[in-house]
Amino acid sequence: AQSVTQLDSQVPVFEEAPVELRCNYSSSVSVYLFWYVQYPNQGLQLLLKYLSGSTLVKGINGFEAEFNKSQTSFHLRKPSVHISDTAEYFCAVSDRLNTDKLIFGTGTRLQVFP
Amino acid sequence: ETGVTQSPTHLIKTRGQQVTLRCSSQSGHNTVSWYQQALGQGPQFIFQYYREEENGRGNFPPRFSGLQFPNYSSELNVNALELDDSALYLCASSPDGSYEQYFGPGTRLTVT
Repeated sequence: AQSVTQLDSQVPVFEEAPVELRCNYSSSVSVYLFWYVQYPNQGLQLLLKYLSGSTLVKGINGFEAEFNKSQTSFHLRKPSVHISDTAEYFCAVSDRLNTDKLIFGTGTRLQVFP
Repeated sequence: ETGVTQSPTHLIKTRGQQVTLRCSSQSGHNTVSWYQQALGQGPQFIFQYYREEENGRGNFPPRFSGLQFPNYSSELNVNALELDDSALYLCASSPDGSYEQYFGPGTRLTVT
């Protein structure tokens, strides 16, 4: 079984500052890793995914994440945030045999202030 | 492509009632998954359908059931509603061989 821990429930940051949203996972098998964003009153949108290969993954809206197998982490970063990045961010994993069953973390609320 | 749509957007039901939520997937997406997102929580996997057959289930009781139709639409049915069933219900579809799920906007169910 897999599990996901998002270490910060809320991250406040000023506009144009860098941000890191932390995600750790636990699994006995190889996994795929995902970050999703949820804007108010909307569904989930995929930001980026790690399947294999390079451990640094670039996604939409200037976000990137780094897969660290030894630390079982998949932290999300952005060098300079905008007000429009204010949203809920979810880290998720799936095992490689059942890629359509996503296990989500509890989410991190990113609040960007002017 | 029109994306994944869900109906209704919101609804309010009374404890003990039954509810049907609907989802329309993108054409060609043979897999549909349903998730429950309680307030302040991440989505939890309910079940998944592939070509009209249930293909995996999470830790939800049998009163949660589903159907998938050949026209890429699907339903989530919940019987004997409980207060704890109040949540945002999300459906997500994906084409064969894809690692990406496309989520709808969700249906917010309130049970009173």
